[in-house]
Amino acid sequence: SQKIEQNSEALNIQEGKTATLTCNYTNYSPAYLQWYRQDPGRGPVFLLLIRENEKEKRKERLKVTFDTTLKQSLFHITASQPADSATYLCALDPNAGNNRKLIWGLGTSLAVNP
Amino acid sequence: GAGVSQSPRYKVTKRGQDVALRCDPISGHVSLYWYRQALGQGPEFLTYFNYEAQQDKSGLPNDRFSAERPEGSISTLTIQRTEQRDSAMYRCASSLEASATNEKLFFGSGTQLSVL
Repeated sequence: SQKIEQNSEALNIQEGKTATLTCNYTNYSPAYLQWYRQDPGRGPVFLLLIRENEKEKRKERLKVTFDTTLKQSLFHITASQPADSATYLCALDPNAGNNRKLIWGLGTSLAVNP
Repeated sequence: GAGVSQSPRYKVTKRGQDVALRCDPISGHVSLYWYRQALGQGPEFLTYFNYEAQQDKSGLPNDRFSAERPEGSISTLTIQRTEQRDSAMYRCASSLEASATNEKLFFGSGTQLSVL
């Protein structure tokens, strides 16, 4: 069956450490994968998009990797801050770029402790 | 507008009533999406439009759900004969281009629908 899995457990880390969140998928061949942040009561906010031919993408303290062989994306937040506490969602395009529909993971809750 | 606007913010209705949820996308955005999100879950795709054309409605749960975007801007998601299982947060998103290379979505704050 087709599915997307993110860290099922909430992640608690100390301020200043690097948070690493995983997104694994099966039976998809996505043209790209995206990461979003969602705060309670708010809609998801776009963070990064990585395409199938890109191994790594960076934006300030954020880094995303995409391994199409392992069918996995890793999302890293370096020098984490309490303000980074939120739920992080991965989403992928299930139809190899042929459609605009996104399939989403359940999200991973991150808490950065001061 | 400055962002994606959805109304109403909250909608409480009785089972069997029809509801219409409105989405006003960011001005100039070509694509508009409707998602449904349950608490603790990721968004679930319902349908999307490029301009006024509905491109994919495969996520609509059944024929009680319909959506339109007649002038390529504001969209309405209509649920007829609501049922309790329809209770959820309904989110609208828009994106700037119709190209598959630019899929950044901007989400609204959503409409929380409660069917009693």
